[in-house]
Amino acid sequence: NAGVTQTPKFQVLKTGQSMTLQCAQDMNHNSMYWYRQDPGMGLRLIYYSASEGTTDKGEVPNGYNVSRLNKREFSLRLESAAPSQTSVYFCASSEQGWAEAFFGQGTRLTVV
Amino acid sequence: GESVGLHLPTLSVQEGDNSIINCAYSNSASDYFIWYKQESGKGPQFIIDIRSNMDKRQGQRVTVLLNKTVKHLSLQIAATQPGDSAVYFCAEITNYGQNFVFGPGTRLSVLP
Repeated sequence: NAGVTQTPKFQVLKTGQSMTLQCAQDMNHNSMYWYRQDPGMGLRLIYYSASEGTTDKGEVPNGYNVSRLNKREFSLRLESAAPSQTSVYFCASSEQGWAEAFFGQGTRLTVV
Repeated sequence: GESVGLHLPTLSVQEGDNSIINCAYSNSASDYFIWYKQESGKGPQFIIDIRSNMDKRQGQRVTVLLNKTVKHLSLQIAATQPGDSAVYFCAEITNYGQNFVFGPGTRLSVLP
């Protein structure tokens, strides 16, 4: 039982490049989330998906898009990376929005 | 807007002593709170949760206290051990359970 799996673990991008961060959970959870974590800022919600087929913006959605591909997978896309998007990205899932969220190990992204 | 914050950004305690980590929240409509522990290089891990109809909940060596009157949450760790060294986040569940709002975190250092 892997829980929440994120790929890649590390990535360096040049400004303007695009990439997709992948996330998959094997717990049959309905809700999935993407957060970014910056020093001194805690975790900030980028997008979430309450259930398969739905996505909603969180606190800091600008510059990102998401796809809830199926119940297991929730991807985060950066269309044109900027240095301000240098951060650690965490994917999480929960059975319902009000239940505990399980987190992946994170993706450390650097945009130069 | 909604916010969750912490009074102390860092806390150092002697091994064997009790630790108390505090958190203030601003949304009086929130009805569910979670404490997470994050070790270096890992994603946050669930420690304990509490609903707003409770003022205290105990786990193994951890206790969460909720004071709704002053919108304050605390995490108490008994007999703190070196393995407790980590960053601790409180999270407030808002938006009808679809959004986790995290505080900036408190770093707990356990001194030998």
